[in-house]
Amino acid sequence: EPEVTQTPSHQVTQMGQEVILRCVPISNHLYFYWYRQILGQKVEFLVSFYNNEISEKSEIFDDQFSVERPDGSNFTLKIRSTKLEDSAMYFCASSGPLSPGELFFGEGSRLTVL
Amino acid sequence: GNSVTQMEGPVTLSEEAFLTINCTYTATGYPSLFWYVQYPGEGLQLLLKATKADDKGSNKGFEATYRKETTSFHLEKGSVQVSDSAVYFCALTKGGSRGGADGLTFGKGTHLIIQP
Repeated sequence: EPEVTQTPSHQVTQMGQEVILRCVPISNHLYFYWYRQILGQKVEFLVSFYNNEISEKSEIFDDQFSVERPDGSNFTLKIRSTKLEDSAMYFCASSGPLSPGELFFGEGSRLTVL
Repeated sequence: GNSVTQMEGPVTLSEEAFLTINCTYTATGYPSLFWYVQYPGEGLQLLLKATKADDKGSNKGFEATYRKETTSFHLEKGSVQVSDSAVYFCALTKGGSRGGADGLTFGKGTHLIIQP
C-alpha cells in the first residue's frame, strides 16, 4: 500500500541552526501539507502546497519557514533559524484531487531544538 | 475562524464497552468533518468522514453523524477492543470547491485506552 515517508525520524539541533525535514508523498497525489504537533497540544496546520506553489498557510508559517518540491518526488520543509519553540513533531501529508480532507500522513519527524 | 473541541482524555474503558468521544465544531459555511486515528508509533490515519449534514461516516465499527443543528460529530463504537487503543482526532476542512487546498483544523486529540 502506498505511503508517505518522512526523514529523519528524529533530529536534534542547536537554536539558530537551519533544519530541513524531508517527505516523499504518495506518487499520484497533488496536494501536500505540513502540520506540527507540540507535545501535549493539538495538531496544527502549517502550509498546503499545490501546483508548485503555496495554496494556504497559517500564522505559524512565518518567514522562517519555507517549503519546496525540488525534484517532483520530495517535499521539504525548511526552518531557517530554529527557535526553542519550534520543538515539535512535524507531520507531512498528501492527498489526491478528488477527496478533500482525506489526507495520508507520514509517521512524523520529531525536532528537538536545544 | 474554524475550531474543533473534543473531550479531554485519557478515556479508559474495558473491552466490549460502549464508546463515545464527543466532538463539536465552529465553522463558517459547510465544512466536511473527519475522524483521524493515531496508533502508537504511527502517523495519523483517516478513520471516517462526512461531507454534509445528516451524513453518517462509518468504518471498522466506528460511526459518527454530522449534526449541523448541534454542530457535533461524536464518535461511537458499540464494543471496543484492546486494539482500538489510540489517539483519536476530530477535524474539519472548509469543503466546497477548493479541492484539497484547504488545511484541516484538528481538535487536541483524545487518548483512548482499552483494558482487557
